[in-house]
Amino acid sequence: NAGVIQTPRHKVTGKGQEATLWCEPISGHSAVFWYRQTIVQGLEFLTYFRNQAPIDDSGMPKERFSAQMPNQSHSTLKIQSTQPQDSAVYLCASRDWGGQDTQYFGPGTRLLVL
Amino acid sequence: QQKVQQSPESLIVPEGGMASLNCTSSDRNVDYFWWYRQHSGKSPKMLMSIFSNGEKEEGRFTVHLNKASLHTSLHIRDSQPSDSALYLCAASVVRTGNTGKLIFGLGTTLQVQP
Repeated sequence: NAGVIQTPRHKVTGKGQEATLWCEPISGHSAVFWYRQTIVQGLEFLTYFRNQAPIDDSGMPKERFSAQMPNQSHSTLKIQSTQPQDSAVYLCASRDWGGQDTQYFGPGTRLLVL
Repeated sequence: QQKVQQSPESLIVPEGGMASLNCTSSDRNVDYFWWYRQHSGKSPKMLMSIFSNGEKEEGRFTVHLNKASLHTSLHIRDSQPSDSALYLCAASVVRTGNTGKLIFGLGTTLQVQP
């Protein structure tokens, strides 16, 4: 079991560019979560999917951020017109709903917006 | 204001000593607590979870929960240098409508000195 896979591991973008982050959950896990971690704000919930359906996006900035889960093996987080304040480590986690409640985190994507 | 408060912010203990970390939720809907450990440059990994009043022990780690005060604590006995990490407390709503998402505190940075 490779665990949760996130690509790329590092991404540098210029202000105003688009960034797309990818996540592959653990095989068989039905829920995928996205979080963002910074020194100042800590680890913040963004959004999650269950059985590919969006369930809660209460943590997503309403403009510029969007997430999708087109199939059970991957999810994407897209940030349009990136700003320096979007610089953070973006973490994806997955869990087996109805089984163990534990969320398993991927290694993260470190995004730096210049 | 953070809905999950952790204290202290940082803690230094000698090797072999006891480390005690605290966490309180201000959200009365919370009924499940998680402790994650995050080594520098790595992703968070779940240590222990608790939802019943009382105590739960796994090896050198003990977790307490007081549901009335929504306070949990993590105790690490015989601390080792490899325990040096950021310890994150997270809360979730499970029994009264499983919201799935984890709300994290800012963490306690533990340093174990040889």
